[in-house]
Amino acid sequence: DQQVKQNSPSLSVQEGRISILNCDYTNSMFDYFLWYKKYPAEGPTFLISISSIKDKNEDGRFTVFLNKSAKHLSLHIVPSQPGDSAVYFCAAKVKGGSEKLVFGKGTKLTVNP
Amino acid sequence: EADIYQTPRYLVIGTGKKITLECSQTMGHDKMYWYQQDPGMELHLIHYSYGVNSTEKGDLSSESTVSRIRTEHFPLTLESARPSHTSQYLCASRQGSYNEQFFGPGTRLTVL
Repeated sequence: DQQVKQNSPSLSVQEGRISILNCDYTNSMFDYFLWYKKYPAEGPTFLISISSIKDKNEDGRFTVFLNKSAKHLSLHIVPSQPGDSAVYFCAAKVKGGSEKLVFGKGTKLTVNP
Repeated sequence: EADIYQTPRYLVIGTGKKITLECSQTMGHDKMYWYQQDPGMELHLIHYSYGVNSTEKGDLSSESTVSRIRTEHFPLTLESARPSHTSQYLCASRQGSYNEQFFGPGTRLTVL
């Protein structure tokens, strides 16, 4: 049973436009959410995160929004750049215990020049 | 910039061989993790460690074993590799109460 779902396997946008990547979750025990970016043949790179007590976190061109009632979060990239082309993983941390991360399957973003 | 290293980056090996995937970090992080990822799929936690001499199994059943004798080193061993072990193996670490995990570049293992 997948607890973190990224329903769009791929997304294509034009350079300069907004990219919106979505993530849904089912576990109410998640207390922290993270986005990672992954290039082929490399490990994931941490991008931005948000605590469950917040609804928005911004870092430069990247903003993450959290809607707890809908169990939904999204990553906005504005403006999108060709270098943003990568696979983006949504991850959630379980409160307490091992504090492990549960990952979605990823969304492949392609930013066209 | 996170300093976490994995060797080898790529490994092609025959069935039945014993292999050790190395992971080292120079950040002094106490917690370390091993994930397994198949193409197009999510990362699955297979092992983690809270610190020296601490190791636990993750969610995904794995025939691999790990050890944590030194803070900076968290190797993963497969006693007898099989084709079903073909995957990418990612090592990660984090410090104390911080939530962000930092990942190494991964080892892509192919067992023939």
